[in-house]
Amino acid sequence: GEDVEQSLFLSVREGDSSVINCTYTDSSSTYLYWYKQEPGAGLQLLTYIFSNMDMKQDQRLTVLLNKKDKHLSLRIADTQTGDSAIYFCAESTYSSASKIIFGSGTRLSIRP
Amino acid sequence: DAGVTQSPTHLIKTRGQQVTLRCSPKSGHDTVSWYQQALGQGPQFIFQYYEEEERQRGNFPDRFSGHQFPNYSSELNVNALLLGDSALYLCASSLGQGTNEQFFGPGTRLTVL
Repeated sequence: GEDVEQSLFLSVREGDSSVINCTYTDSSSTYLYWYKQEPGAGLQLLTYIFSNMDMKQDQRLTVLLNKKDKHLSLRIADTQTGDSAIYFCAESTYSSASKIIFGSGTRLSIRP
Repeated sequence: DAGVTQSPTHLIKTRGQQVTLRCSPKSGHDTVSWYQQALGQGPQFIFQYYEEEERQRGNFPDRFSGHQFPNYSSELNVNALLLGDSALYLCASSLGQGTNEQFFGPGTRLTVL
């Protein structure tokens, strides 16, 4: 079945790295995503990774994929107050690429 | 270049009523997907419209229906509203039915009393 799980909360100090973790169950997942949602706003696609990749880096963001364990992580380097938001892990398959299955989201809070 | 727009931003209805939500896709996009996001939850896929037809559907009852117009804009209709239909309804657009890159609108907050 399709299920994406992630922890609900994460608190980090400003300037530190944040690591948000996610597990998924669908072994046919082809695309794995990280979305960001700020209060009162829609979803912003941060990055996505193909299932045949292990890692993807984009400026302060690093995505790591362990396909064997069905584990996905998002690392945000030098976390800033503007990174405060809810981060959603999500997946879709090649045959249903537009049907995105989301986790419940991890609320990231930044402390000074 | 306008992004995805949705109307209205907020809506209050009572149980049993019907509601219509609207979405205009990002310029150049031809596919619209609808998601329901309950408070504290991640979005759940309702359905997708491409070439004016429903192409994929999530686990939602027939009370949820939609339409896509020739200009690619879309409507989501919900009949016989229940309290549990209270949620943020998100529209996402993309180019092509099978693409995975979707752009989300700001959503419509529906409250059912």
